[in-house]
Amino acid sequence: DTAVSQTPKYLVTQMGNDKSIKCEQNLGHDTMYWYKQDSKKFLKIMFSYNNKELIINETVPNRFSPKSPDKAHLNLHINSLELGDSAVYFCASSQDRGSRSVETQYFGPGTRLLVL
Amino acid sequence: AQSVSQHNHHVILSEAASLELGCNYSYGGTVNLFWYVQYPGQHLQLLLKYFSGDPLVKGIKGFEAEFIKSKFSFNLRKPSVQWSDTAEYFCAVNARGYNKLIFGAGTRLAVHP
Repeated sequence: DTAVSQTPKYLVTQMGNDKSIKCEQNLGHDTMYWYKQDSKKFLKIMFSYNNKELIINETVPNRFSPKSPDKAHLNLHINSLELGDSAVYFCASSQDRGSRSVETQYFGPGTRLLVL
Repeated sequence: AQSVSQHNHHVILSEAASLELGCNYSYGGTVNLFWYVQYPGQHLQLLLKYFSGDPLVKGIKGFEAEFIKSKFSFNLRKPSVQWSDTAEYFCAVNARGYNKLIFGAGTRLAVHP
């Protein structure tokens, strides 16, 4: 069983389009994250949700909107895609133990987005 | 602001050579420390972690790391690398009390047979 899954695995689209990436975890975790990995492999957090509530919102353009219908899902919607959005997007999850510290995060396989 | 430095961006070794990858962080308080590995085309996987206790931590696949608080370091080591260790290695730090994991820029390791 895949612990953290993402769809699609690859996404090629034109500038200006709107696209969504879905993430699901079956680990029973209550915290989920979205990371962006650029072409130099630098990994940066974008968003974090705990029990469907937004915890972290880094300096991300408001064209990016996360949505958490329940604690097992965290989807990422991107409006008006730009060339600079091309990257690998990783979803992750962890179990919040109430200490406001980060426990081990489990990552999904990534979604490779290419904007043409 | 918290930050993580991985000084070696690209390391090339022959099989059976010893490995040490540096990781330093900037934060004066208590931290949780992680090393993740990303094999080519794959997602990140946890190699090992340190939360408290023995500062020498053993992880999977023969890797270990030592937390030296006075040096703000958490270097990754393996006594004898294999070709299958070819991957990108990321150090990550969480400052206790903050809901954020800060990653280093990664070190790309290439092991030649």
